[in-house]
Parts: sequence; C-alpha cells; structure tokens
Amino acid sequence: GNSVTQMEGPVTLSEEAFLTINCTYTATGYPSLFWYVQYPGEGLQLLLKATKADDKGSNKGFEATYRKETTSFHLEKGSVQVSDSAVYFCALDRNNAGNMLTFGGGTRLMVKP
Amino acid sequence: DTGVSQNPRHKITKRGQNVTFRCDPISEHNRLYWYRQTLGQGPEFLTYFQNEAQLEKSRLLSDRFSAERPKGSFSTLEIQRTEQGDSAMYLCASSPLDGDANYGYTFGSGTRLTVV
Repeated sequence: GNSVTQMEGPVTLSEEAFLTINCTYTATGYPSLFWYVQYPGEGLQLLLKATKADDKGSNKGFEATYRKETTSFHLEKGSVQVSDSAVYFCALDRNNAGNMLTFGGGTRLMVKP
Repeated sequence: DTGVSQNPRHKITKRGQNVTFRCDPISEHNRLYWYRQTLGQGPEFLTYFQNEAQLEKSRLLSDRFSAERPKGSFSTLEIQRTEQGDSAMYLCASSPLDGDANYGYTFGSGTRLTVV
C-alpha cells in the first residue's frame, strides 16, 4: 500500500539556520507529492507540490525535489525564520486524481530567535 | 467566501453519545473530503463526496460513522455510540472538480472531539 515516512520532531533551529526535513514514500505508480504546513490554530495549507520525477516544488523559500530513485521528497529552506515554526506534513496523492491524500506523521519545527 | 468552515470547533461528549459535525466548503467546490487526525499523527482519509454522491469510504469509517452531503453543499459527519478511541481532530477539505484539484484542496480548521 501507500505510505509516507517523515523524520520525527521536534526539530529545533536558530533563526537563519538551514532546514532539512526528510520524507520518503512507498507507492505504486508515480504519485504526486506534497508538503503541507499547519500553523498553530490554523488548518493545513499547501506549501508546495511536485507531480513527476525530478520536478522541484518551491514556495516561500522552501524547496523539495521529487527523487524517484530514492523515493524521497525532502523539504529544505536555506534560512528559517521564527514565523516558519509550524508542523510540516509530507503527503502523496495515490492516483493523481486529487481525491485521497496519504500523509506522513508530521514534523514539528521550532525556530528560536 | 472565506474558506472551509467547520462547526463546532470543539466537542466534548460522554462515551456512548452521538455527535454530529458540520462542514461548509468553499461554495464553488464540487468535492468535499473528511479526514481524521489523532494527536501527533498525520491526517487519515475517511471519505469524499463529489457533489452529493459519496464516492469513496475508507475502511476506517466503521458502521458507527456516517457522512452526508444532501444538496451537494454542506456536509455532516455523524458518529454514533462514541468510543474513547474516536477522540481526534476531524478535518474537512474541499476542492474544485475541474482543473488541478490538488492546488485547490483547502482544509478547514477542524473539529476537535474529546470522548470522556
């Protein structure tokens, strides 16, 4: 079946540090891959996506590259800010139809000033 | 239209009681989804509707759970004879039918259920 595995948190960084949150997946076929972010008290928001191998999704300084050979979609940011503190979820769309997402367990990021 | 609205935000109920949650999607969105999120875990798919038709249900949706979207607009999720294991955040999302459904996938803030 489909599954997504993320590194466990919390990840605690100082402002302006480099961020990597690892995500690997298991799926049949070639799913679309996503990163969602959940700020305190708010709903999940789409951060970025990639739909095929070697695609790079990017938004708000965050990037992730769809690596088919390693079945990975690691999230990176060169310089984090306190406002990036949130829970980040990696997810896949099993059949690229947008009708069911499989999520990882989430990784809490805490950025200290 | 300011997004996906869920009510109530919080619900505390005694074990064995029935509860009902409501979701109001973005008005032009045809698809509506329910997910469940337990503490420290990612959301798990429960069911989805395309207009008023319920097209898929997860095996997580036991016979105590029922969801409806009678007019293709708002949806309700009912849990009968609640158990402590039902305690979770119940998330609703909606998306358009046409175009890139994944970009249009908008989540509500959720209803947190606590069964005591």
